[in-house]
Amino acid sequence: ILNVEQSPQSLHVQEGDSTNFTCSFPSSNFYALHWYRWETAKSPEALFVMTLNGDEKKKGRISATLNTKEGYSYLYIKGSQPEDSATYLCAFWNFGNEKLTFGTGTRLTIIP
Amino acid sequence: DTGVSQNPRHKITKRGQNVTFRCDPISEHNRLYWYRQTLGQGPEFLTYFQNEAQLEKSRLLSDRFSAERPKGSFSTLEIQRTEQGDSAMYLCASSVGQGMDGYTFGSGTRLTVV
Repeated sequence: ILNVEQSPQSLHVQEGDSTNFTCSFPSSNFYALHWYRWETAKSPEALFVMTLNGDEKKKGRISATLNTKEGYSYLYIKGSQPEDSATYLCAFWNFGNEKLTFGTGTRLTIIP
Repeated sequence: DTGVSQNPRHKITKRGQNVTFRCDPISEHNRLYWYRQTLGQGPEFLTYFQNEAQLEKSRLLSDRFSAERPKGSFSTLEIQRTEQGDSAMYLCASSVGQGMDGYTFGSGTRLTVV
């Protein structure tokens, strides 16, 4: 059984503050780590795909890092805005499994 | 192509009834996946297709569940004799190749069994 864990489960952040959350995953047969943002009533939207140890990706105020040796990834949001309120999912793709295994998500609420 | 489309968006059904959901993937995508998400959980894998072939089914998919992708295009997921525990968001996604570069998701079908 592949376990992908995310913490915290939920988070309330004041508008303008920065925040981060964690995804941990098994490091064996690793191929890629994905981050998705899922807003209520919409479809999950791909944010980042990372494959190499030490990868850092950035999209506007959101960035992510990857450590494949110890099996974790961080997602950072700088200067949170109300539109950042969503559930952030990480998912792990490894050889031999051939599908994404998702974590439970971090539900982020930005307080205006 | 407008992305992955799922119908209906919401379904309320009485326990014991059968329900069927439809997913229309992105046309060039050969893989199609069904996931289920319940409260407090992340999306859990149910099954996937490569073209019309169903390659893997999760143990979560009991005998009451069946999925098809008859011409390698759209897919249907049927649940027979629904139970309250089937209440969930059913997500469909599609991908090019093996999906290691990611999926494109639909908006889901929210099923409520009363």
